[in-house]
Amino acid sequence: AQSVSQHNHHVILSEAASLELGCNYSYGGTVNLFWYVQYPGQHLQLLLKYFSGDPLVKGIKGFEAEFIKSKFSFNLRKPSVQWSDTAEYFCAVNKGSFKTIFGAGTRLFVKA
Amino acid sequence: DAMVIQNPRYQVTQFGKPVTLSCSQTLNHNVMYWYQQKSSQAPKLLFHYYDKDFNNEADTPDNFQSRRPNTSLCFLDIRSPGLGDAAMYLCATSRDPSGGTDTQYFGPGTRLTVL
Repeated sequence: AQSVSQHNHHVILSEAASLELGCNYSYGGTVNLFWYVQYPGQHLQLLLKYFSGDPLVKGIKGFEAEFIKSKFSFNLRKPSVQWSDTAEYFCAVNKGSFKTIFGAGTRLFVKA
Repeated sequence: DAMVIQNPRYQVTQFGKPVTLSCSQTLNHNVMYWYQQKSSQAPKLLFHYYDKDFNNEADTPDNFQSRRPNTSLCFLDIRSPGLGDAAMYLCATSRDPSGGTDTQYFGPGTRLTVL
């Protein structure tokens, strides 16, 4: 079945550590890719998205993601995390329709 | 601030007792979505409205219905909730997702408990 896979369900890091959250999808052809974030007590909101152009996409709060078509991946990175990055992160894929498929999410906890 | 509002935030119902969740938006977006999210799982699209056009996902149970009386308001009706319907229900909007690149704007969700 076509899907979006997030490799880590839980990640614990210390402040200033580097972050990489994996996301792989199983859809062929053209895809639109998203990372959404949900901070504690808040609603899901867009972190960044990619649909064309430079495969290295920069988002809010110092996050970036790289689209590697040959690996069907769209990993999220941040060079130095802060305590305020504690949140749940969702990767999502859209193939040019109304339907967006979400991954199961990765819960990040950053120790102060 | 323009936003997506869901009421109630928490809903408790009894097995088999109909329940309605509501979502309103001030973004004036054309599309409204309902997702079901169970614990530690991905949000799963149930259906969406594009203006007045209702689009049901193929695997959405008949037990789930939706109404959109106007652009800013949308309801999720669960006719006979079962224990397996306990979940977080998320409402989202987007302006025009026909190309698949649109950002979705989410409400805070309604957590449904079925006793």
